[in-house]
Amino acid sequence: DSGVTQTPKHLITATGQRVTLRCSPRSGDLSVYWYQQSLDQGLQFLIQYYNGEERAKGNILERFSAQQFPDLHSELNLSSLELGDSALYFCASSAKAGDTQYFGPGTRLTVL
Amino acid sequence: EDQVTQSPEALRLQEGESSSLNCSYTVSGLRGLFWYRQDPGKGPEFLFTLYSAGEEKEKERLKATLTKKESFLHITAPKPEDSATYLCAGGGFQKLVFGTGTRLLVSP
Repeated sequence: DSGVTQTPKHLITATGQRVTLRCSPRSGDLSVYWYQQSLDQGLQFLIQYYNGEERAKGNILERFSAQQFPDLHSELNLSSLELGDSALYFCASSAKAGDTQYFGPGTRLTVL
Repeated sequence: EDQVTQSPEALRLQEGESSSLNCSYTVSGLRGLFWYRQDPGKGPEFLFTLYSAGEEKEKERLKATLTKKESFLHITAPKPEDSATYLCAGGGFQKLVFGTGTRLLVSP
């Protein structure tokens, strides 16, 4: 158990819908990262937050957004969902930027 | 462009048959080289962080080494429970750049 929690474990929804994925980092970790893992692309970095502020963006679509709250938990919002958004979404946390990232169990999103 | 390449894509070993997995990397602003283990449908589990060429780290049957351009994960006398996908990633202060992994299957 890495200490990073993610909810829900599974999410099934329809095209065009909006969903929110939640992540609680390890106790004391200030940095949160979101990654997408699909069968054909491996793990891809989406976005990083540090102590509530956005620090880096990767290949994140404009339909996706995230935020980190004062209690340090983070949410990833996915809107106007398409079939291709079906994937595993992982959250990771580290004590500070550049430290070892510890991953949560992931949320499996299925868009029908 | 940042790139991490792992080989082989898949590896099948008999129990007790030692081998090595390769990770070559080109990552700007590299701070560390990370190895993770991932079981199907689960989150990556942290194994090692290597920061400088020549560094080595060991954990049970696994040993990770680092050069300026490559990292190796050596598996000594593997057991069936070592079967998993092993991921290598290059990291700066922000993102990790992952390779596509080596799927290891160890048969009894």
